[in-house]
Amino acid sequence: EAGVAQSPRYKIIEKRQSVAFWCNPISGHATLYWYQQILGQGPKLLIQFQNNGVVDDSQLPKDRFSAERLKGVDSTLKIQPAKLEDSAVYLCASSLLAVGTGELFFGEGSRLTVL
Amino acid sequence: EDKVVQSPLSLVVHEGDTVTLNCSYEVTNFRSLLWYKQEKKAPTFLFMLTSSGIEKKSGRLSSILDKKELFSILNITATQTGDSAVYLCAVGDNYGQNFVFGPGTRLSVLP
Repeated sequence: EAGVAQSPRYKIIEKRQSVAFWCNPISGHATLYWYQQILGQGPKLLIQFQNNGVVDDSQLPKDRFSAERLKGVDSTLKIQPAKLEDSAVYLCASSLLAVGTGELFFGEGSRLTVL
Repeated sequence: EDKVVQSPLSLVVHEGDTVTLNCSYEVTNFRSLLWYKQEKKAPTFLFMLTSSGIEKKSGRLSSILDKKELFSILNITATQTGDSAVYLCAVGDNYGQNFVFGPGTRLSVLP
């Protein structure tokens, strides 16, 4: 079974530039999460989708971050404009079962460095 | 606001030692607690706990949940250098319907 795919694995940009990350969840997984993990901290939820609907985006900085999940499969997370404090690993995860009940399967992450 | 605390934040042991990692939580309407191991990449799943007092076991790793005292422990016996990683605890509730992660415990096992 293929796992959660993410790209790019690494990205270096300057502040005020924009960046986009892509995630393809495990086939059949309805729930998709984007987490931000700053060095030395645990992952923090940015946004959660159930199929192509947003379940929770309360911690997403909406002035600069946006995310979509068209057709309930792939998802993209965009940051525009980036700030220094956005340097982190962006983890995508998916879950088979109903929201909040199932094990999360994580992708390898996209490491962003903002200079 | 849901909160997950892990202790210790960092731990250094020698091969063969036994370690106990702690996770305490404050969650409205608790549903489940997950343990993950994170090396230099994506977190990998270890255990899901939903009921108090029932030990989950996988090889040298075991975990148990106490829903009355709001904590879980992860035990690793006969540690090996390959156990070196960050161990993350996450709690899921029914309201927010997402998982809140703790800061992790960084375990270093020396040969």
